[in-house]
Amino acid sequence: NAGVTQTPKFQVLKTGQSMTLQCAQDMNHEYMSWYRQDPGMGLRLIHYSVGAGITDQGEVPNGYNVSRSTTEDFPLRLLSAAPSQTSVYFCASSYNGGSEQYFGPGTRLTVT
Amino acid sequence: ELKVEQNPLFLSMQEGKNYTIYCNYSTTSDRLYWYRQDPGKSLESLFVLLSNGAVKQEGRLMASLDTKARLSTLHITAAVHDLSATYFCAVKAGGTSYGKLTFGQGTILTVHP
Repeated sequence: NAGVTQTPKFQVLKTGQSMTLQCAQDMNHEYMSWYRQDPGMGLRLIHYSVGAGITDQGEVPNGYNVSRSTTEDFPLRLLSAAPSQTSVYFCASSYNGGSEQYFGPGTRLTVT
Repeated sequence: ELKVEQNPLFLSMQEGKNYTIYCNYSTTSDRLYWYRQDPGKSLESLFVLLSNGAVKQEGRLMASLDTKARLSTLHITAAVHDLSATYFCAVKAGGTSYGKLTFGQGTILTVHP
């Protein structure tokens, strides 16, 4: 099993550009999440999904969109990048709502 | 709103010493997690604590949970350099069906020879 994979590993965007961060898992997990990690703030939940076709907002959803058309994939879209979105983004998946979450390797995004 | 606070945020230890990281949270929780993160890497699950009084141990790390005090501890015994990393606790609020986790700020642990 590859586990949770994310692409790209690194990305530099200009303010106003849009892009999609990809996340895939091969563990047949129903639950998937996107977090951002900023220095001194731990991880903060952006959006999550409890199954294909079902998504909801987390703590910091503004400026991001998600969709979940398959169990395996959970892409995160930045609509119009802003410097405040410079961060490391982690995707995670879990078997159910209470089980441990497995994290992908992360995407380091810089917005100039 | 669930708040999670860890202390200390920075911990410098000598090899062979013992220390404890504390994780306090503000509202009822039914699950607490500990993760480890090495610099530039992803998060690795260490422990899942499910109930009051739960204790789990793996090598030199032992985690416990006191739901009445809303406190979890991560105890390090006889630290070694390989334990140098950032440690996060994360709390799932009680009554929520999905594991929406709230993370602490993280404790950066450095173990010196």
